[in-house]
Amino acid sequence: DQQVKQNSPSLSVQEGRISILNCDYTNSMFDYFLWYKKYPAEGPTFLISISSIKDKNEDGRFTVFLNKSAKHLSLHIVPSQPGDSAVYFCAASAAGNQFYFGTGTSLTVIP
Amino acid sequence: DGGITQSPKYLFRKEGQNVTLSCEQNLNHDAMYWYRQDPGQGLRLIYYSQIVNDFQKGDIAEGYSVSREKKESFPLTVTSAQKNPTAFYLCASSMGGAYSYGYTFGSGTRLTVV
Repeated sequence: DQQVKQNSPSLSVQEGRISILNCDYTNSMFDYFLWYKKYPAEGPTFLISISSIKDKNEDGRFTVFLNKSAKHLSLHIVPSQPGDSAVYFCAASAAGNQFYFGTGTSLTVIP
Repeated sequence: DGGITQSPKYLFRKEGQNVTLSCEQNLNHDAMYWYRQDPGQGLRLIYYSQIVNDFQKGDIAEGYSVSREKKESFPLTVTSAQKNPTAFYLCASSMGGAYSYGYTFGSGTRLTVV
């Protein structure tokens, strides 16, 4: 059973606009969340993280929001750039144990 | 440069054969992981190892085997018992417990059964 879900398999956004990628989880014990970015034929690269003691973490153009009551997190990219076009995975962990990954959202930023 | 190296990048296997996928890291990370990616599915954990000479099964360990004789190396063997081995395999490492560091991933091996 998928504990981490990304219900939008793809997203297209105009360059300069905001990209919002969503992720839902079912396990209330998850307390640490990561976002990864993946280009074709490459391994995922770490993008940004958030722990359950926070509801927001920001790193440059990337901001992750966590809504624990809704078991939902989102990644905002502002402004979106063509180089951001990739597949984005969210991942969640309980107590630093293994991470569970979502199915990914393919983002296309249109120049 | 520090990182994780997976080899080969592409691998073809005949049905009934065992194949071994290599994963080497020079990051001095304690923990290493093997994931499998299939179309439309998230990354699924096959095996992981928190320390040398010790490893645990993940969610889909059947048909796979691993060893961790050295800190730097965590090879994965796909055995003939794995019924659907065609997939993209990713190796990852972390500084034992992934808090704050997340995983560092290799570039993956695409295995195709012919």
